[in-house]
Amino acid sequence: AQSVTQLDSHVSVSEGTPVLLRCNYSSSYSPSLFWYVQHPNKGLQLLLKYTSAATLVKGINGFEAEFKKSETSFHLTKPSAHMSDAAEYFCVVTRTGTASKLTFGTGTRLQVTL
Amino acid sequence: DAGVIQSPRHEVTEMGQEVTLRCKPISGHNSLFWYRQTMMRGLELLIYFNNNVPIDDSGMPEDRFSAKMPNASFSTLKIQPSEPRDSAVYFCASVQGAGSNQPQHFGDGTRLSIL
Repeated sequence: AQSVTQLDSHVSVSEGTPVLLRCNYSSSYSPSLFWYVQHPNKGLQLLLKYTSAATLVKGINGFEAEFKKSETSFHLTKPSAHMSDAAEYFCVVTRTGTASKLTFGTGTRLQVTL
Repeated sequence: DAGVIQSPRHEVTEMGQEVTLRCKPISGHNSLFWYRQTMMRGLELLIYFNNNVPIDDSGMPEDRFSAKMPNASFSTLKIQPSEPRDSAVYFCASVQGAGSNQPQHFGDGTRLSIL
């Protein structure tokens, strides 16, 4: 069994300030974890993935996430927010080696203000 | 590289009508997924195919929904008859190897409105 909890449904930051989107997971197996971003009227775009290699994962557009097994967390961070980062972000978990059975978080809407 | 291509992007129709959504997966990807996204339920997996064969259709809401994958480059999701509660955004995704560590790639979705 697996589940994922995104702790904040909405996060608001000022442009140029750090971004932290929180994700905790539960899995009976060795997990693979992903962060996807969804801009309005678009599909989900992969930001980054963790699949049991390096625990600090760098993704596109300056995002990164750290896999912490002891805390069962996979938080997404970015040092400096840009207006174009405003979107919905989904944390996703699956069993390593099982690309078919994704469990999605409920999403975090990131608002970036001037 | 072309991503997952879905058509139409928007569909508005009256209840009772047949609706057909189309998807072209990324070339070389042998697994294809249909999802539905609503505000109330988030993203739900409806069905997935591996090598054109339906593997898991437990997410299909009811018999009004059907999906086919006649070849490796095309899939359809059909709703007949459609109902207002079917209004949602429907996404298609594909991946190379359902048993791999690769991420699924999503299309831009079809926004379906049933009046």
